[in-house]
Amino acid sequence: QKEVEQDPGPLSVPEGAIVSLNCTYSNSAFQYFMWYRQYSRKGPELLMYTYSSGNKEDGRFTAQVDKSSKYISLFIRDSQPSDSATYLCAMSASVLAGSTLGRLYFGRGTQLTVWP
Amino acid sequence: EAGVAQSPRYKIIEKRQSVAFWCNPISGHATLYWYQQILGQGPKLLIQFQNNGVVDDSQLPKDRFSAERLKGVDSTLKIQPAKLEDSAVYLCASSPQTRYTADTQYFGPGTRLTVL
Repeated sequence: QKEVEQDPGPLSVPEGAIVSLNCTYSNSAFQYFMWYRQYSRKGPELLMYTYSSGNKEDGRFTAQVDKSSKYISLFIRDSQPSDSATYLCAMSASVLAGSTLGRLYFGRGTQLTVWP
Repeated sequence: EAGVAQSPRYKIIEKRQSVAFWCNPISGHATLYWYQQILGQGPKLLIQFQNNGVVDDSQLPKDRFSAERLKGVDSTLKIQPAKLEDSAVYLCASSPQTRYTADTQYFGPGTRLTVL
């Protein structure tokens, strides 16, 4: 079983739709949860970061973590064509720089297309 | 602030040949990572440096892969000899020295390697 599971999609939605992206994980030691956005031919960029369980909102983006179910989500409201990208979830057991516990484990990414 | 620089952007080689990738992290960033991203998968950590020292190289295939970080700044990743399954994008990332920022990794654009 992989550490992090993510449905690869692809997901295609019309502009203005609400998008829901999800990941599940198996390692109960994970405490730090991230969402990265990766445009074609580019490196990933950090979009959202949450610690432990709960919600975090940033503009049109909301990240949710449910540690009891080992399930994380990213919601995108009022989706735009510029949101078209691959969304990668990532998680780690520690946020300490220079620590092996800080290793990020990535999902395989969900490819999202928002059409006008 | 300049981002993480990587070169070359693309490389095509035949199996059993050697190849080297170069990474220049963001100025002042102490931690440097090399990831391998196979098509359709999330990035997988190969090696993590803290300044000059190796923190985590447990997933580096040491029989063919090697990496060094000169003077705690630039880094090179080498594959010798290459195999077909090494075809992937090799991503370099860096993060600041600050103790609690292992989560904030800044990625370069990657080097796309094709092994024929």
